[in-house]
Formats: sequence, C-alpha cells, structure tokens
Amino acid sequence: ETGVTQTPRHLVMGMTNKKSLKCEQHLGHNAMYWYKQSAKKPLELMFVYSLEERVENNSVPSRFSPECPNSSHLFLHLHTLQPEDSALYLCASSLQSGGGSTDTQYFGPGTRLTVL
Amino acid sequence: AQTVTQSQPEMSVQEAETVTLSCTYDTSENNYYLFWYKQPPSRQMILVIRQEAYKQQNATENRFSVNFQKAAKSFSLKISDSQLGDTAMYFCAFMKLSGTASKLTFGTGTRLQVTL
Repeated sequence: ETGVTQTPRHLVMGMTNKKSLKCEQHLGHNAMYWYKQSAKKPLELMFVYSLEERVENNSVPSRFSPECPNSSHLFLHLHTLQPEDSALYLCASSLQSGGGSTDTQYFGPGTRLTVL
Repeated sequence: AQTVTQSQPEMSVQEAETVTLSCTYDTSENNYYLFWYKQPPSRQMILVIRQEAYKQQNATENRFSVNFQKAAKSFSLKISDSQLGDTAMYFCAFMKLSGTASKLTFGTGTRLQVTL
C-alpha cells in the first residue's frame, strides 16, 4: 500500500464510450502524474500536475483529458478511444520541494484498460 | 533528452543467491536522482531504492544495494539473498531535477525470476 489509490482497477470500454479513471493520494503530496504502460514499451509520461496546474502534456491525443480539482485527486477522462490505447494506466504523486529528497514518485496500482 | 538503457530483458537467480541488474543512462545534467522500481505480477510499481547523484556513497536498503558509477553513467542494482517474492519486473529510472515537477525517464525493464 503506497498511499495512492486508483479506480477502477479494470475497465473495458467500446470506442464510442466515455469513461473516467480516478486517482487519489493520501500522502500530502502536491504533484500528480499520469503514465501509460504498454507491452514491451517503457513507461510513457502523459501528464504532470504541480500545485493543481498542468505543467506537462507529452503530445497526448485530445481523446485523453486530465483533470486535477485539488492536490489529492486526479482524473483522466477518456472518450472515443482506439484499440491501441489499451494499456495499464498508472498514477503517481510526489512532493515538490525544488529538488529536495522528497521528490520521489509513489505509484498507484494502475487501471488495466481494454478498448474494444 | 535523457535515455535509460537496461540491456538484460530477462534474468533468473536461485533463491538465496545474489543477482545484479544493469542500467546505464545518458544525460548532460550534473544533478539528478536515479531509482530502481519493482513491478510484481500485481502490477503495483514499488520503489526499491534511490540514489542522489551528488552523493558518492552507494545507497543500500536491506538486501538491495546499488553500484553507482557517475563518470561511467552506470547504476546497477544488487539483490542479495534473493527471495521468491523478489520475482518481478525491475525498472531503472532517471529523474532530472526541475523547479516545477519531477519527471521520470524509465528503462524498458528487466524481468527477474527467482527459482527454488
């Protein structure tokens, strides 16, 4: 248990569906991240939120829409996905201190997404 | 841009033996962190060990230790007294220090199997 939870753990959706992934951290952190983990590829950073502002968007298609309403919650809204978007989506959080030792990222258990 | 290379896709070790996982990275940065994460079959990404680049002393965490060679840009993980529960994917990761948010670059991972 890392203090970062994700729901749902598994999700199957059609290409025309709209769904959302939820991440919640109980660590008092102020930065949150979405990663995509596909088979045989390195983890890909998708979005970074620091102090509730999006500071990174790594050329992610607009069918993925993140939302960070507060420092404890992070959502990833999904719509009109493609089968190649099937992957494990991992959320992480960290405490930003300008480069101090607390910048370590702690991960949630992930959501296994399958797009039919 | 930073790159992280793990040249061993799979490794196997017998219980109670010692195994070393390799990692090299490429960066022009002088201050950074390096991490090893493990991802067991449950898919939970778990922090194993962290090394600050400015520290010459190699980090240790119980049975886990690293050999950090900054000039060679090498960061290997040694697991002593291997246990069945160490069976997992192991990812090496590089973190560039940033004023806004920490950003991890991951290697492709090494799958470690601990056998009886």
